[in-house]
Amino acid sequence: DAGVTQSPTHLIKTRGQQVTLRCSPKSGHDTVSWYQQALGQGPQFIFQYYEEEERQRGNFPDRFSGHQFPNYSSELNVNALLLGDSALYLCASSWDRRYGYTFGSGTRLTVV
Amino acid sequence: DQQVKQNSPSLSVQEGRISILNCDYTNSMFDYFLWYKKYPAEGPTFLISISSIKDKNEDGRFTVFLNKSAKHLSLHIVPSQPGDSAVYFCAASASGGNTGKLIFGQGTTLQVKP
Repeated sequence: DAGVTQSPTHLIKTRGQQVTLRCSPKSGHDTVSWYQQALGQGPQFIFQYYEEEERQRGNFPDRFSGHQFPNYSSELNVNALLLGDSALYLCASSWDRRYGYTFGSGTRLTVV
Repeated sequence: DQQVKQNSPSLSVQEGRISILNCDYTNSMFDYFLWYKKYPAEGPTFLISISSIKDKNEDGRFTVFLNKSAKHLSLHIVPSQPGDSAVYFCAASASGGNTGKLIFGQGTTLQVKP
């Protein structure tokens, strides 16, 4: 049973560019959340998608946007990249929080 | 505003002994707490969770204790094994549906020495 799959694993972008990260949730999971983890910090919640709609949002600017598709997969888009956007971006899927959230291995984004 | 805090950046214990990782929170709305383990180059892996209606939950070598009055939870690992060496994050979730956003602490790096 495949867990959460994220692509790409690593990415280098130039400041001002745009980036799209992708996530396929674990089979049976219908909710996808995105997190940003800076070096030495815990993951920070960006937003959560359920039934193709953004259900919750963390304290991130509008440059961060997302989408969920009918098959529950999701994309995270970041526009006008800043050096401070360099981080590990984690996708987590779930269907019932009592059973935990399954995380992918993340996409390491470096903005130069 | 750091709502979930892990004040110990690192912990070192001997194999076979108990590891105790601590976590404090400030938001009274949190009603569900989780512990995750993270190895380098991997995503966090769910370990154990506890609802605010309980004060203890066990799963094998892992036990989580919750003290709501002190807004404190701890993870006990007994006995500790070298394979437990990783970064441990506590996380909290507020009510509002089955799935809610997680607020993470900064993490504690556990080293278990053989």
